[in-house]
Parts: sequence; structure tokens; C-alpha cells
Amino acid sequence: GAGVSQSPSNKVTEKGKDVELRCDPISGHTALYWYRQSLGQGLEFLIYFQGNSAPDKSGLPSDRFSAERTGGSVSTLTIQRTQQEDSAVYLCASSPRPTSGTGDNSPLHFGNGTRLTVT
Amino acid sequence: SQQGEEDPQALSIQEGENATMNCSYKTSINNLQWYRQNSGRGLVHLILIRSNEREKHSGRLRVTLDTSKKSSSLLITASRAADTASYFCATDGYDYKLSFGAGTTVTVRA
Repeated sequence: GAGVSQSPSNKVTEKGKDVELRCDPISGHTALYWYRQSLGQGLEFLIYFQGNSAPDKSGLPSDRFSAERTGGSVSTLTIQRTQQEDSAVYLCASSPRPTSGTGDNSPLHFGNGTRLTVT
Repeated sequence: SQQGEEDPQALSIQEGENATMNCSYKTSINNLQWYRQNSGRGLVHLILIRSNEREKHSGRLRVTLDTSKKSSSLLITASRAADTASYFCATDGYDYKLSFGAGTTVTVRA
């Protein structure tokens, strides 16, 4: 079946430009996550959406970063005025329900990521 | 901040050998998950072990969890070239945010 789809797969942009990264989660998955992975590093949590609840934006590194999720499905991560330190792989993941709190845990399904290079 | 710390950072083994990697974490967890990432791809879920479990098996994978030591290990038996990847542990600290370590890069030589 269809997995999590991210686009573009690669994006090269000039410093100062805005970029939009798109994520199509698995149909029916209510939870959606954005993570950032810098070279040789682990995953850094950015933002979490669950159904119609207010998103958890606590991981966004600065106010240049924003994300939205329309209709409980597709999500867009926007980075304004990109900086070189924004260069990383941005990973999106979805799950049928929150991974914790209930004792009934759902693994995350990841897309292949968008590799962002800011020159 | 990263909760899980994998050890070693890199591992090179011969095909057919076993690979063992460890994960340590700092705070109480609800469960611990292991993921695999092939080069240029997203992460793929391998196995989940709950805090009240001590050992779990899935095919050639064996995961142990010692909550008193706040550590977990992943053993891959009879490794294959296709097992070449980075392996990450992720801890679930009673909220919905999984915390990932920096990973162990495993290279299986033919």
C-alpha cells in the first residue's frame, strides 16, 4: 500500500529564500510528525499534529519555521529566510494514533525525507 | 534533546556474524523502539519493547530491555549484506514525542 510521501526529495535553495516541504501521510493516520536529521546525527523533533487538536510546536527551532496540516491530511513545513544551518534532511512520519499515553503504542511510518541544502 | 544514546557509533562485521548494539537512556520510558535507516531513505520500524518486557524476538532480531540500568540492546543474528544500515533506538517517555539517538552504523562485509 501507499506509504508516507514527501516532496521534493531534494531541494537546493539560496540563503534567504523561503522553502516549502510537503508531506502526504498514510491515509487514515491521525498523528503526523516532522523531524530534522542533520548529517550523522539523530532525529530532532520539530512539530506534532494529532487530529484536530492544536499542534505541538515546541520543537521548532525558530520563528522562521512553521507548519500546517490541512484537512487532517497533507502537511506543509515552511522555512522562511533560510540559513545555511537549516541544511538537513527533513523527515515526516505518521501513525494511526499517538505513540504513548494509552499503553497501546503505534510505531511511526516515515517518508524518505527531503534533503534541503542552503547555499 | 536526544534521550537515547547508541553504542557503538559504527560497527563492521563479516556476513554471517552477529551484530550487537546498545542503547542507553536517561529518564523513565513507556516503551523503547528500534528503527533501521538505509542510506538516503526514511526510518523503518523494527521492533517495540514495552517497559514491562525484558526480551523480545522478531525473526533474526532480539531486543532486550533493562529498565534498572536504563539500557537496551539489539542483536542481529546471522547478518546479511542487506542488514547494512543505521540503527536507531527511540524512547517513548509517556508522551507522543519519540526521542531518537544518533544511531549505530552497521556495515556487513560480504
